[in-house]
Amino acid sequence: DQQVKQNSPSLSVQEGRISILNCDYTNSMFDYFLWYKKYPAEGPTFLISISSIKDKNEDGRFTVFLNKSAKHLSLHIVPSQPGDSAVYFCAASATGAQKLVFGQGTRLTINP
Amino acid sequence: EAQVTQNPRYLITVTGKKLTVTCSQNMNHEYMSWYRQDPGLGLRQIYYSMNVEVTDKGDVPEGYKVSRKEKRNFPLILESPSPNQTSLYFCASSLSGGGYEQYFGPGTRLTVT
Repeated sequence: DQQVKQNSPSLSVQEGRISILNCDYTNSMFDYFLWYKKYPAEGPTFLISISSIKDKNEDGRFTVFLNKSAKHLSLHIVPSQPGDSAVYFCAASATGAQKLVFGQGTRLTINP
Repeated sequence: EAQVTQNPRYLITVTGKKLTVTCSQNMNHEYMSWYRQDPGLGLRQIYYSMNVEVTDKGDVPEGYKVSRKEKRNFPLILESPSPNQTSLYFCASSLSGGGYEQYFGPGTRLTVT
């Protein structure tokens, strides 16, 4: 069973506009959520995270929103830049668990 | 430079021929883990290690072995590879357990024919 789901395999956005990537989870024990970015031929790199005690976390152009009642989180990128073109993975963990559970990934393409 | 390294980056082998993928980190992290990435499935954990000589199964451990004899190294061993182990493999490490930010290696693309 896929506990973390990214239902959009791909997303195309115009440069300068907002990119919104979505992620849903089913396990109510998850209390820490992360976004990773992956370029071709490289490993995933950590982008931003949020604890379940918060509903928003910002880091520059990147903001993650968490809606615990809906078991949904989203990553906003504003403004989108060509260098943001990559695969984005959502991940979640539960306190005490020794792993991250990843979604399937969303390929973001920023068009000039 | 703080990093996780993996070798080889690319490997083509035949069914049943034992192979080892090495992983090393220079950040003095206690936690290390192996994932495989397959289309439509994201990254799935194979094995992890909380410290030297402490390893445990992840979600998809069948057909794999690991060892952690030194803190910096965490090799992945396929004793009898099969075509369903064709995948992209990532090693990762973390300072404080598996539930937080993990640092990933560049990946090893394995093809088993």
